[in-house]
Amino acid sequence: AQSVTQPDIHITVSEGASLELRCNYSYGATPYLFWYVQSPGQGLQLLLKYFSGDTLVQGIKGFEAEFKRSQSSFNLRKPSVHWSDAAEYFCAVGPVSGGYNKLIFGAGTRLAVHP
Amino acid sequence: DTGVSQDPRHKITKRGQNVTFRCDPISEHNRLYWYRQTLGQGPEFLTYFQNEAQLEKSRLLSDRFSAERPKGSFSTLEIQRTEQGDSAMYLCASSSGGMANEKLFFGSGTQLSVL
Repeated sequence: AQSVTQPDIHITVSEGASLELRCNYSYGATPYLFWYVQSPGQGLQLLLKYFSGDTLVQGIKGFEAEFKRSQSSFNLRKPSVHWSDAAEYFCAVGPVSGGYNKLIFGAGTRLAVHP
Repeated sequence: DTGVSQDPRHKITKRGQNVTFRCDPISEHNRLYWYRQTLGQGPEFLTYFQNEAQLEKSRLLSDRFSAERPKGSFSTLEIQRTEQGDSAMYLCASSSGGMANEKLFFGSGTQLSVL
């Protein structure tokens, strides 16, 4: 079955500390991979996406993610967290074929940032 | 770019009542999606439109749910005979299409509470 697992429900970090959010997926083939962020009262916003090529992708707001095929993982990282990064983060996968973006989302990781 | 707008932001209804939500996508976007997000979970795909054609419906979308996109512009999602299990955030997203990996723009959602 196709699924996305985000093992950490909540993560708390101090401002300025580094961050890594984990994502593992189960899919029939290598899918398209996405990270979205959801702030209270806001719509989901795309942080970055991976389709092919370089397995380290850069996104907005200083985030990056690394695709590891052998581990079926697509972990999100940021070297120095800002208080404004507090939000919920969702990893998602989408089909390479089919022609449209029917995404499967993980349950999310809620990030809290301590001053 | 005014973004994807959804109306209402919140809806409280009694079990058994019918409710209708509206989504206005970004004006030049030909693809429109509905997702549902329950507490503590990531969004789940409900249905997809390309222009006015509804091309896929999830099995999550029971026969009490109907979605339309007349003239390929705004879309409505109607739930008949609401049940408490329908309580969720209903998200609309749009994209300009072309490829499966295109960026989705999400609205802020309609929060439905069924009493």
